[in-house]
Amino acid sequence: NAGVTQTPKFQVLKTGQSMTLQCAQDMNHNSMYWYRQDPGMGLRLIYYSASEGTTDKGEVPNGYNVSRLNKREFSLRLESAAPSQTSVYFCASSESDEAPLHFGNGTRLTVT
Amino acid sequence: DQQVKQNSPSLSVQEGRISILNCDYTNSMFDYFLWYKKYPAEGPTFLISISSIKDKNEDGRFTVFLNKSAKHLSLHIVPSQPGDSAVYFCAASGVGGTSYGKLTFGQGTILTVHP
Repeated sequence: NAGVTQTPKFQVLKTGQSMTLQCAQDMNHNSMYWYRQDPGMGLRLIYYSASEGTTDKGEVPNGYNVSRLNKREFSLRLESAAPSQTSVYFCASSESDEAPLHFGNGTRLTVT
Repeated sequence: DQQVKQNSPSLSVQEGRISILNCDYTNSMFDYFLWYKKYPAEGPTFLISISSIKDKNEDGRFTVFLNKSAKHLSLHIVPSQPGDSAVYFCAASGVGGTSYGKLTFGQGTILTVHP
């Protein structure tokens, strides 16, 4: 059972380039989330999707877009990467609003 | 404005002894609190949670205590084992009835358990 799978594991971008971070879960969970982790700041919520077809902003949504492609997949897009977006990005899913989150292993993104 | 704070960046304990990790929060509207554990190069994994209607929750070696008046929670690990060495994150949610998956995390505490 793979759980939450994130691709790629590592990525280096130049300022202004775009990319999409992919996330898929095989647990039939309804809710999915994108968090970023920066040194000394814990994890912060970027966007979440309570169910297929819905998305909503979290604490730090600026510079990002998301797509809930289907129940399994939730992607995060950076249209024009900036050095401030250098971070480790974690995707997570949960069975319901009241269930604990299951996290993927993260994507380490560096923007130069 | 850090609403959830873990003021100890690191903690070192001897195997078999108790580990106590602390967390403070400022938003009195939080009503659900969780602890996550994270190993290097992996995502956080859920450890234990507590609702604001309780003051204690136990799961094996792990106990979480909540003091609402002090806006403080702590995680006790007894006995500590070398495999417990990891980063521990405190998290809170539930403000205004919003999704419990919308978590506000502390900065994390690195726990090292020495054999």
